[in-house]
Amino acid sequence: DTGVSQNPRHKITKRGQNVTFRCDPISEHNRLYWYRQTLGQGPEFLTYFQNEAQLEKSRLLSDRFSAERPKGSFSTLEIQRTEQGDSAMYLCASGQRNNEQFFGPGTRLTVL
Amino acid sequence: KNEVEQSPQNLTAQEGEFITINCSYSVGISALHWLQQHPGGGIVSLFMLSSGKKKHGRLIATINIQEKHSSLHITASHPRDSAVYICAVRSEYGNKLVFGAGTILRVKS
Repeated sequence: DTGVSQNPRHKITKRGQNVTFRCDPISEHNRLYWYRQTLGQGPEFLTYFQNEAQLEKSRLLSDRFSAERPKGSFSTLEIQRTEQGDSAMYLCASGQRNNEQFFGPGTRLTVL
Repeated sequence: KNEVEQSPQNLTAQEGEFITINCSYSVGISALHWLQQHPGGGIVSLFMLSSGKKKHGRLIATINIQEKHSSLHITASHPRDSAVYICAVRSEYGNKLVFGAGTILRVKS
């Protein structure tokens, strides 16, 4: 399967714990995007990378959130000191300049 | 007011009906995307367009740049078309997508 993959698919954690999600983009894609989707809403932009450079971050991305793409391939999104409001589907997408974005299956986070 | 508005929010149709979902946006864009999302979260890109009209099978997408409006049409709808359809725009000056809230479509047999 050469699509975008995300791990884990589901994560249940207790409030205050740290969680980390991984996204593996389509190999030739240099752009990688993170989005968050809450129930009944469309996705919201969090951040994006071109190769290893993080070029844009949303105001939604508080200081508890950090994303990396160290070698310009896979990316990780870490949430520290999780809160119940962080419960959402976290979506990753990859693409190339001005082309369509290909989405992964998402990681559903539940914070108890 | 959201930058991307979709209508209707919910749509129930009988199998075989012609379906239209509308999207209006308020910013200058470089491209508009129509996406399909099934239960469980997976999102599939249906169309990316910046002018005119595109067709793929039973799906047709149109855009009017002057009116800042796009429509997604489904001809001869089928229960397997049941999903959430999301409109998203990429602004002229950035690379991120701004999404509408989605239209929940249910096609009954």
